[in-house]
Amino acid sequence: KAGVTQTPRYLIKTRGQQVTLSCSPISGHRSVSWYQQTPGQGLQFLFEYFSETQRNKGNFPGRFSGRQFSNSRSEMNVSTLELGDSALYLCASSPRTGGLNTEAFFGQGTRLTVV
Amino acid sequence: SQQGEEDPQALSIQEGENATMNCSYKTSINNLQWYRQNSGRGLVHLILIRSNEREKHSGRLRVTLDTSKKSSSLLITASRAADTASYFCATDGRRETSGSRLTFGEGTQLTVNP
Repeated sequence: KAGVTQTPRYLIKTRGQQVTLSCSPISGHRSVSWYQQTPGQGLQFLFEYFSETQRNKGNFPGRFSGRQFSNSRSEMNVSTLELGDSALYLCASSPRTGGLNTEAFFGQGTRLTVV
Repeated sequence: SQQGEEDPQALSIQEGENATMNCSYKTSINNLQWYRQNSGRGLVHLILIRSNEREKHSGRLRVTLDTSKKSSSLLITASRAADTASYFCATDGRRETSGSRLTFGEGTQLTVNP
C-alpha cells in the first residue's frame, strides 16, 4: 500500500501570497488531519476532515482553511501568508475518526518558507 | 500549547544501551501513540497503546501506560545508531464529539553514538 503523499515537498512564498498544499491519504483511509510543526510551538493540530466534513479544528486563524474531496484527498490553504507561517506542514491519514484503535500515519510533509 | 511533556528533552547513549523516554499528559485519552522523526522529515508511527492497555511490545520497543498517573514510557532496547531521531508521544483525547485530534509532546532527541 502506498503511504501518505504530500505535495509539494518544498515551497517558498512571499508574504501576502496564498498557498495550497495537497495530501493524498492511504487508500481506504477516510480521515485526514493537518498539523503544523515549528521549532517554537512544536506540533500543533490544524484540522481534521472525515468524509468531506470538518470534524475538528485547532486554534488557528481563519487564514488557514482546508477541504476534503470525495476521494478523501485533502487540501489546505493559507491566505495572506505571514513570516510566522514558515513551518513543516504534516498531513496524517487514518482509516476512521477517533476511537481506541485509530492509528494516524503521516506523510513526509511540506516545508513552507515565507520570505 | 502542548498537552504532553516529555523527558528527557535530549538523551545521548552508546550503541547497545537501552533508551527510556517518558511522556506525561493532562486529560483522559482514547489512546497514546509514539512516533519517530528524522531530521525534520515526516513522522513514522511506532506503536499505539489503548487506554485500557498497560504494556505493549513491538520488536525492540516496549511501551507502558499508566492512566492513573497520566504517563507513558517508551523503552528502546539494544539501541543502534539508526535509532538516532526525535521521539514524540501523541494522545488522542476523549471528547463529547467524535473525531480525532492528536496532541503532541515536545519530543525527546535521542542520539545513539556508534
